[in-house]
Amino acid sequence: AQKVTQAQTEISVVEKEDVTLDCVYETRDTTYYLFWYKQPPSGELVFLIRRNSFDEQNEISGRYSWNFQKSTSSFNFTITASQVVDSAVYFCALSSFGGTSYGKLTFGQGTILTVHP
Amino acid sequence: DTEVTQTPKHLVMGMTNKKSLKCEQHMGHRAMYWYKQKAKKPPELMFVYSYEKLSINESVPSRFSPECPNSSLLNLHLHALQPEDSALYLCASSQAVASYGYTFGSGTRLTVV
Repeated sequence: AQKVTQAQTEISVVEKEDVTLDCVYETRDTTYYLFWYKQPPSGELVFLIRRNSFDEQNEISGRYSWNFQKSTSSFNFTITASQVVDSAVYFCALSSFGGTSYGKLTFGQGTILTVHP
Repeated sequence: DTEVTQTPKHLVMGMTNKKSLKCEQHMGHRAMYWYKQKAKKPPELMFVYSYEKLSINESVPSRFSPECPNSSLLNLHLHALQPEDSALYLCASSQAVASYGYTFGSGTRLTVV
């Protein structure tokens, strides 16, 4: 079975602060994908990033950056200089190819990020 | 077209009603999914269709009946629902099952009264 844990239920910051959202995952598979999605109040899940298990390169996209460490089974997400528009629920998710988890995208519990002006 | 379109966006139904949710994609994806999301919870997988055949049913009650009439269309037929079935229903698609990319629709907010 696979599992994703987002220990931070809610985070509140003031605009321009940097914020890191933590994600820890569990899987027995050697091949898997990790994702981050943003869900604004309107409800749609907005894809932010995908990483496969063989690519530990960190990535930066504008104010967003991701740190993938297989040694600690973590895939953390940092927003630099946060803005009010970043307020949303953020989900980390895992998709693997083995056994009973095949075909299933497993989500963490989500982190509610509120950025105050 | 890189979207998954879900209709209706909002639906209110009585417990004796029959209604259907519709999901459409034109990206040539051969896997389609239904997820249910309760307030303040993550999406939970309900069904997976692969090449128009049901491949995963996560022990969903029979009052939810999925249908995949063709490779672009996925329906979820609803009958005799309970108030606790009120939720956001999300459709997603991917090139294949366990693909590296999933595209989600904006969902249908269902209220059962």
